Amino acid sequence: QKEVEQNSGPLSVPEGAIASLNCTYSDRVSQSFFWYRQYSGKSPELIMSIYSNGDKEDGRFTAQLNKASQYVSLLIRDSQPSDSATYLCAVNAGAGKSTFGDGTTLTVKP
Amino acid sequence: DAGVIQSPRHEVTEMGQEVTLRCKPISGHNSLFWYRQTMMRGLELLIYFNNNVPIDDSGMPEDRFSAKMPNASFSTLKIQPSEPRDSAVYFCASSLLATDTQYFGPGTRLTVL
Repeated sequence: QKEVEQNSGPLSVPEGAIASLNCTYSDRVSQSFFWYRQYSGKSPELIMSIYSNGDKEDGRFTAQLNKASQYVSLLIRDSQPSDSATYLCAVNAGAGKSTFGDGTTLTVKP
Repeated sequence: DAGVIQSPRHEVTEMGQEVTLRCKPISGHNSLFWYRQTMMRGLELLIYFNNNVPIDDSGMPEDRFSAKMPNASFSTLKIQPSEPRDSAVYFCASSLLATDTQYFGPGTRLTVL
């Protein structure tokens, strides 16, 4: 079992819809959770970080964390073609390094 | 503020040659990470440093790979000798603390012929 697993994708949604990206992790002591966005040919950039159970909202993005279920998700409301990218989930167990999932590629169709 | 700086942006070399990738982290950041990204294996952590000291190099694939951080503003990743399977995009990232958000450089696209 991988330490961090994401929807295999690719995920395709119409413009204006809600895109839901999911991530599960295996280390129960994980403390910090991150969502990065990576456009094709570019480097990953942070979208959201979340540290405690519940929801965290930033504009059209909402991160949801459930430590009991070892699950973190990212919702993108009113999806735009510019949201088309690969989304990477990263989990940090406090030992220093973050472990990244393989990513989910999202395509938003106009 | 300048972000993480990497050089070169592209490197094409022949098998057996030595390759050196360079990284300048964001000023004030205490942690530096080297990653390799391929379609097959995704984003892999090779090594990371805290305060210029290597903490975890378990991701370094072989003895052909070595990394140094002689000071807080500079790090190198060296591959000697290079092989075609080393072809990938190599990212450097830095963060204030190892558990914090990481800021990635633009990457070095390495092609070994």
